[in-house]
Amino acid sequence: DGGITQSPKYLFRKEGQNVTLSCEQNLNHDAMYWYRQDPGQGLRLIYYSQIVNDFQKGDIAEGYSVSREKKESFPLTVTSAQKNPTAFYLCASSIGGFNSPLHFGNGTRLTVT
Amino acid sequence: KQEVTQIPAALSVPEGENLVLNCSFTDSAIYNLQWFRQDPGKGLTSLLLIQSSQREQTSGRLNASLDKSSGRSTLYIAASQPGDSATYLCAVHPGANSKLTFGKGITLSVRP
Repeated sequence: DGGITQSPKYLFRKEGQNVTLSCEQNLNHDAMYWYRQDPGQGLRLIYYSQIVNDFQKGDIAEGYSVSREKKESFPLTVTSAQKNPTAFYLCASSIGGFNSPLHFGNGTRLTVT
Repeated sequence: KQEVTQIPAALSVPEGENLVLNCSFTDSAIYNLQWFRQDPGKGLTSLLLIQSSQREQTSGRLNASLDKSSGRSTLYIAASQPGDSATYLCAVHPGANSKLTFGKGITLSVRP
């Protein structure tokens, strides 16, 4: 079955530590995205990549970093510079940009204490 | 700046009712609009995508309409079932090379 796999489902970290969230897709999609979801705030775009080896900042990129070395993979690193990292993180992909339907993974809930 | 509003934030209905979920947006110059479903603790599932040139899209018991001039879209769910209980989000695509703007969602509860 084709889809997007995010791992782990739950992640706990101490303040000051960097943490990397995994996102892998086997849909052969060119575009991939990272969103953050907080209660009462809706989804906010962190980073997106339209093609391998290229990515752009979204609306809330500060304190995050990404890489896109392979078409299938788009890992997100939450650095210690991110002031409020505790959130639900969602990875998505699409065939070709925002005009195509987005396919989402099941998310990673990150808790930083 | 495009803003997307979904009111009310929560809705509870008895099983079998036909219902309408509303989505409004401030800038009528949109490329497309998508409706998503999200189950608790899960990702989003795309339900329907309406291009700006279309008036509606249908999938099973779901029908989504788009009225760009009034800045509104509605998601119609026929004969609601407890399995329809979820949060429904709409998202607007302002144009080529632009990013989606999401509403905050409507949490629907269908009572048996």
